[in-house]
Amino acid sequence: KNEVEQSPQNLTAQEGEFITINCSYSVGISALHWLQQHPGGGIVSLFMLSSGKKKHGRLIATINIQEKHSSLHITASHPRDSAVYICAVAPGTDKLIFGTGTRLQVFP
Amino acid sequence: KAGVTQTPRYLIKTRGQQVTLSCSPISGHRSVSWYQQTPGQGLQFLFEYFSETQRNKGNFPGRFSGRQFSNSRSEMNVSTLELGDSALYLCASSEARNYGYTFGSGTRLTVV
Repeated sequence: KNEVEQSPQNLTAQEGEFITINCSYSVGISALHWLQQHPGGGIVSLFMLSSGKKKHGRLIATINIQEKHSSLHITASHPRDSAVYICAVAPGTDKLIFGTGTRLQVFP
Repeated sequence: KAGVTQTPRYLIKTRGQQVTLSCSPISGHRSVSWYQQTPGQGLQFLFEYFSETQRNKGNFPGRFSGRQFSNSRSEMNVSTLELGDSALYLCASSEARNYGYTFGSGTRLTVV
């Protein structure tokens, strides 16, 4: 079993829909990261969380440390949000452990 | 503020050769970590350097090595290349442990 599990693996949505991507992990962590990867490979760090909730524009990330679970929400989705979203956890050693990613496609 | 710069962007090598990839972190960032991304294994941690010292190493064979210079620039080297080493190699820099990461655009290595 992977230490970091993401769901769903693939997600399609119509423009304007509310989107949720989930991440569950099985190890103790010091922080959880949400990353966005567009075709071509470049990765952008969206959030780093150790507790609670963070918001940046239309993106919201939450984490529940007791339940070892995090969610990434996208409100009013747009085709430019189409990308692979990756959850990664830091078990305190700077050695990130990655989920397999969620491929999101938003259609106009 | 310049981002993380990786060179080269693309590279084609032959089996058995060696390759060196370069990563220049954001100015002031002392931590540089390296990752390999393949379709089969996804993203995997290679190693992490902080102030010229390797702090962590992933589960990769000894053919994969790296170093960090006094200006925080880092290089990784892969010797005796195998077809399976074909991948996107990403580096990320950070100010310190438990700070956010900034990723480079990656080097896409193809081994033929």
